[in-house]
Amino acid sequence: SQTIHQWPATLVQPVGSPLSLECTVEGTSNPNLYWYRQAAGRGLQLLFYSVGIGQISSEVPQNLSASRPQDRQFILSSKKLLLSDSGFYLCAWSVTGAFTEAFFGQGTRLTVV
Amino acid sequence: RKEVEQDPGPFNVPEGATVAFNCTYSNSASQSFFWYRQDCRKEPKLLMSVYSSGNEDGRFTAQLNRASQYISLLIRDSKLSDSATYLCVVTIPGKLIFGQGTELSVKP
Repeated sequence: SQTIHQWPATLVQPVGSPLSLECTVEGTSNPNLYWYRQAAGRGLQLLFYSVGIGQISSEVPQNLSASRPQDRQFILSSKKLLLSDSGFYLCAWSVTGAFTEAFFGQGTRLTVV
Repeated sequence: RKEVEQDPGPFNVPEGATVAFNCTYSNSASQSFFWYRQDCRKEPKLLMSVYSSGNEDGRFTAQLNRASQYISLLIRDSKLSDSATYLCVVTIPGKLIFGQGTELSVKP
């Protein structure tokens, strides 16, 4: 069966520090991969999605970047965090080439102080 | 206009009540439709897919009207455990777009 791992679960980082969140999927090949952010009390905002290695689409211009160095690995990064980057970051995967549902990791709760 | 819009909520209902959530989407190229449930401080989890013919899963019924670009979710005989935020989701090529969610609170 397929599983998705996302870490760390919680993170407190000072303003101006770098960020790296990692997500890996097991049990499937060439998945679509997604990074979402959810601000407190708000809906999910799509940040990046990827349909293959090295293929990243950005939805919202901001202080973040994403990379997909391997088929089932998706990384969210920032060189310098802002207070507004605080939120609940969620990685998800779906079956490639199909309009199917997505399955989420447990999320990372990031607080920038 | 947002790509996916839901009732703002919150909905506060007694146990046993029937509650309906509505959702509209703006992109006519949308292909698939889902309802997700999100518990407080947890990741969203798939509740059910939504098909043009309508579909039912126990106390939950989902409907899709492609002409009106409208999706609904009906929960019958509400339970305390149904308290959560319900998210409407639409797929367009390559990505899933979420509504902002509607919070449901079921009271004894």
